[in-house]
Amino acid sequence: AQKITQTQPGMFVQEKEAVTLDCTYDTSDPSYGLFWYKQPSSGEMIFLIYQGSYDQQNATEGRYSLNFQKARKSANLVISASQLGDSAMYFCAMRNILTGGGNKLTFGTGTQLKVEL
Amino acid sequence: NAGVTQTPKFQVLKTGQSMTLQCAQDMNHNSMYWYRQDPGMGLRLIYYSASEGTTDKGEVPNGYNVSRLNKREFSLRLESAAPSQTSVYFCASSARTGGITGELFFGEGSRLTVL
Repeated sequence: AQKITQTQPGMFVQEKEAVTLDCTYDTSDPSYGLFWYKQPSSGEMIFLIYQGSYDQQNATEGRYSLNFQKARKSANLVISASQLGDSAMYFCAMRNILTGGGNKLTFGTGTQLKVEL
Repeated sequence: NAGVTQTPKFQVLKTGQSMTLQCAQDMNHNSMYWYRQDPGMGLRLIYYSASEGTTDKGEVPNGYNVSRLNKREFSLRLESAAPSQTSVYFCASSARTGGITGELFFGEGSRLTVL
């Protein structure tokens, strides 16, 4: 079984500041992938960033970076220089690669981020 | 570039009615999924189809059936709707893995209300 935990239901950050959204995971599969998705108020799901369990370096995509700490089973999303458009719900998700069944993802409950002026 | 298209976008049903949510993708993806999103619960997998011709239960399959009609289309059927099935439903697809992330591409969602 696999589980994703996001313990921050809501977060506030000031524009231009950095923010970290927490995600911890649990799996018995030695090979897995971790994802972050953004869901703005319009409802669509937008893929942000991916980290493979065997990747040596933390993933980065523009202002997004994933702080992957394998021993602690955490995969926190860091958004630098926050913008008003970053206000959204953010979901952490995981895929077990060896026992996967397609590429099905298990999602956390999400963190609602609000960027303030 | 349509991506993943799901219909209808909105639907109101009475308890006991049936309906089918349709989903089609134009990215030649092998795998397709149906998720439901409820407040405070995140997205939960209902059914998935790892490849054409196969379907499997996810975390919350009770009350639903699916059909993988062909590689492009994956439908979700509610045979006898219940108020507990009021939710936003997302269809998604992904390419076969093998050196790529295998991220899911989502449709825009279908908001279903069961009275």
